[in-house]
Amino acid sequence: NAGVTQTPKFQVLKTGQSMTLQCAQDMNHNSMYWYRQDPGMGLRLIYYSASEGTTDKGEVPNGYNVSRLNKREFSLRLESAAPSQTSVYFCASSSQGAHGYTFGSGTRLTVV
Amino acid sequence: KNEVEQSPQNLTAQEGEFITINCSYSVGISALHWLQQHPGGGIVSLFMLSSGKKKHGRLIATINIQEKHSSLHITASHPRDSAVYICAARPQGAQKLVFGQGTRLTINP
Repeated sequence: NAGVTQTPKFQVLKTGQSMTLQCAQDMNHNSMYWYRQDPGMGLRLIYYSASEGTTDKGEVPNGYNVSRLNKREFSLRLESAAPSQTSVYFCASSSQGAHGYTFGSGTRLTVV
Repeated sequence: KNEVEQSPQNLTAQEGEFITINCSYSVGISALHWLQQHPGGGIVSLFMLSSGKKKHGRLIATINIQEKHSSLHITASHPRDSAVYICAARPQGAQKLVFGQGTRLTINP
């Protein structure tokens, strides 16, 4: 089915470990996003990519890096995980057209 | 003050009731989105509005651009409608969304 695919769905890391969250969309959307969702905080934008080859910081970029590998894929990397990065992470993509935003199913990350 | 405000924050109702969730925003927008998130679940886009009204099944979304206000209505509510509903505004010229804090809806049988 068309949509946004995120992997992994769950991950437990030790403080200081690194990992990459993968995201791919097959809807030919230009823009892609990484959000984190914390209780009582709503969705906060970490990084986004308006088009292939460009990335920009969102509200909470510290501790993260991103790569827009091609039009389909947008990855989020934690170089040295911290307990404050325990959260649910959502990837999304969008177009200007009627289909709007599409979200991935989320990655539940726990840093111990 | 947040750029996107939702009310109420929490809403509990009985099955069958008519539900209204409100969203006010302070920025000029190109579109407004209504999203649904079930407990522990992913986020689903319900509607994208730039004017008027849209209907999908028992869900109706309206927007008044002049008043900077949108509403999401659920007719004949059902326990499976229990979820968090999130309003998100897309400012003019931007692809990024500005999110409301969400409304937690609980429908009791």
